[in-house]
Amino acid sequence: GAVVSQHPSRVICKSGTSVKIECRSLDFQATTMFWYRQFPKKSLMLMATSNEGSKATYEQGVEKDKFLINHASLTLSTLTVTSAHPEDSSFYICSASPGTVERAFFGQGTRLTVV
Amino acid sequence: AQTVTQSQPEMSVQEAETVTLSCTYDTSESDYYLFWYKQPPSRQMILVIRQEAYKQQNATENRFSVNFQKAAKSFSLKISDSQLGDAAMYFCAYRRDNDMRFGAGTRLTVKP
Repeated sequence: GAVVSQHPSRVICKSGTSVKIECRSLDFQATTMFWYRQFPKKSLMLMATSNEGSKATYEQGVEKDKFLINHASLTLSTLTVTSAHPEDSSFYICSASPGTVERAFFGQGTRLTVV
Repeated sequence: AQTVTQSQPEMSVQEAETVTLSCTYDTSESDYYLFWYKQPPSRQMILVIRQEAYKQQNATENRFSVNFQKAAKSFSLKISDSQLGDAAMYFCAYRRDNDMRFGAGTRLTVKP
């Protein structure tokens, strides 16, 4: 089956620094990528959707300047958490889809801890 | 924005028995896709089953089947012959184009 690789799986950073999370589709071209945030024992909350070569579409309440999403190629999307704070600590999951009607394939997730 | 509702935070089933997880959704669209994903403790999202809204026939994948009621906007998941490995969080999801949303999840426990 299709594989989506998300890296890193865990990261600890200091408050005020930025951290980048990568999401790669390894064996297909991802027209669309989704970024989710998942709190403990909670559901996946959609943060933004990105299409290759276009600006990401952010959900209401998600700060665009804080969560920078770049979908520069058909196989790579990045989420950069800028000026991270402890409240940004969470589990972030990406998913990639080869089309608008296809199933989405999920990365392994990234556990971000801001200290 | 579309909403997906899972009204059962937790469910329990005896091994080898059958359990049904509920999901309802709200949309004004006629063409869309519905999914059930499983999230084990590893937190890797695993696709269980997929249903196209334009198909009347309910999707089936081995022990997993759905009851898709389009008019009622209901999409329940039936797990037959439950196995210990089925224990996980189950999320119902709706997708149309660039909009993909999840329900709150149901934690399934399988008792030996």
